[in-house]
Amino acid sequence: GAGVSQSPSNKVTEKGKDVELRCDPISGHTALYWYRQSLGQGLEFLIYFQGNSAPDKSGLPSDRFSAERTGGSVSTLTIQRTQQEDSAVYLCASSSQGAELFFGSGTQLSVL
Amino acid sequence: AQSVAQPEDQVNVAEGNPLTVKCTYSVSGNPYLFWYVQYPNRGLQFLLKYITGDNLVKGSYGFEAEFNKSQTSFHLKKPSALVSDSALYFCAVRDNRYGGSQGNLIFGKGTKLSVKP
Repeated sequence: GAGVSQSPSNKVTEKGKDVELRCDPISGHTALYWYRQSLGQGLEFLIYFQGNSAPDKSGLPSDRFSAERTGGSVSTLTIQRTQQEDSAVYLCASSSQGAELFFGSGTQLSVL
Repeated sequence: AQSVAQPEDQVNVAEGNPLTVKCTYSVSGNPYLFWYVQYPNRGLQFLLKYITGDNLVKGSYGFEAEFNKSQTSFHLKKPSALVSDSALYFCAVRDNRYGGSQGNLIFGKGTKLSVKP
């Protein structure tokens, strides 16, 4: 596609429910990243996929968070048993090796 | 630990005046440095990057940044600010754990730029 696509753009859920956020990276980009942006905060790194290598999960805040990247393309970020503190904008980005990151428009997650 | 600092939460500039948004970094080895801009309700857009070479890097929308190794800084500049430049600006450095050209970016907390007519 022309850019990084994320869906849904907005997600409202109840505390304790599971949510899945999807990211379609730019075709051909080998690297994919998930970040979280809370109100008034900077970008918090969550997870990084590079080609077929094991992902860098060092930024995931708890074991309720997980992510997959199938076929080296589409990625899904799953949050289990959501909590109110999970409310944030979740940003996905992709890049070719050594290049700048291209970001999607994000998914605004609201946990009630 | 690797990190990026943006010491100003907000910068206010009059239209037509020069602007500077400050960024300092801490990273082992040679830094890969980036600036991004975020307009309201939009994703982050790439402005410019420093990998190697000339310390003065030119980017989109008339912005430039100067890499200063001795001061570990990478300040964003523009000679003449526009009202439309008002946005949130993020400085970032690539995490060097992977050896330079790969790895996630570590972002600063962002600086809100406000340009008044």
